[in-house]
Amino acid sequence: AQSVTQLDSQVPVFEEAPVELRCNYSSSVSVYLFWYVQYPNQGLQLLLKYLSGSTLVESINGFEAEFNKSQTSFHLRKPSVHISDTAEYFCAVSNDYKLSFGAGTTVTVRA
Amino acid sequence: NAGVMQNPRHLVRRRGQEARLRCSPMKGHSHVYWYRQLPEEGLKFMVYLQKENIIDESGMPKERFSAEFPKEGPSILRIQQVVRGDSAAYFCASSPGTLSLSGANVLTFGAGSRLTVL
Repeated sequence: AQSVTQLDSQVPVFEEAPVELRCNYSSSVSVYLFWYVQYPNQGLQLLLKYLSGSTLVESINGFEAEFNKSQTSFHLRKPSVHISDTAEYFCAVSNDYKLSFGAGTTVTVRA
Repeated sequence: NAGVMQNPRHLVRRRGQEARLRCSPMKGHSHVYWYRQLPEEGLKFMVYLQKENIIDESGMPKERFSAEFPKEGPSILRIQQVVRGDSAAYFCASSPGTLSLSGANVLTFGAGSRLTVL
C-alpha cells in the first residue's frame, strides 16, 4: 500500500517570492512520483514527474522537484512565483496504474 | 486532439435520483480510470476499466455505484439513489496503456464532473 502526505494545506506567498510545497510518501516498493496542478474550476494537469534517473526534475514553467529516497520526499519548489501560479497542487505516487494522491496544497499568490 | 471529455460538467440531483457521468477518453486511449475528489480531500481511485472489462474496482463503494466502458461509446459512471455524501468532483483519466516503467503512458485527466446532491 502507498500513501502520500502533503504537510501544508494552505501556503500564502507574495509574488516573486520562493515557495516550497512538501510531500512525503510511504511505499514498500519502488514508486513513481508526480506533481499535478489544478487551477480553479479545471481538471488536473501534470506538472512534473519522477520515474528514474536524475533525482531533480523540472517543469517548463519554472517548478522543480527533488526525489529524496532516504527521506521518502518529493518536495516541489519554485524560486519566484507569479500570480498565475495560484492553484491547488497535488503530490501523487504510483507503482502501476493506480495513483495515490495527497490531500493537496492550496497556493495563493498575492501581489 | 480533444483530450479527455467529461460531461456533464455540473450535475444537480435530489436525494434518491440517479446520476450518470460520461467520459470519452483521448483518441487512441483504451484505458479509463475514475477518481473522486471529496471536498477538502485529494483524489481517490475508484475504478479502472479497459474496453468492455473492469480491471480494478477496489475503490468503488460496494453499493449504488457502477461503471462501464462499452465497446462503442464513452465510459459511464452511474450512481443510483444518490445521497448528499455523493456530492463531489468525479474525474476521469485515460491512458493508451497501463502506467509502465517507460513513463510513456501517463494519465490525462478530464476537467471533471461536479455532482451536487440536494
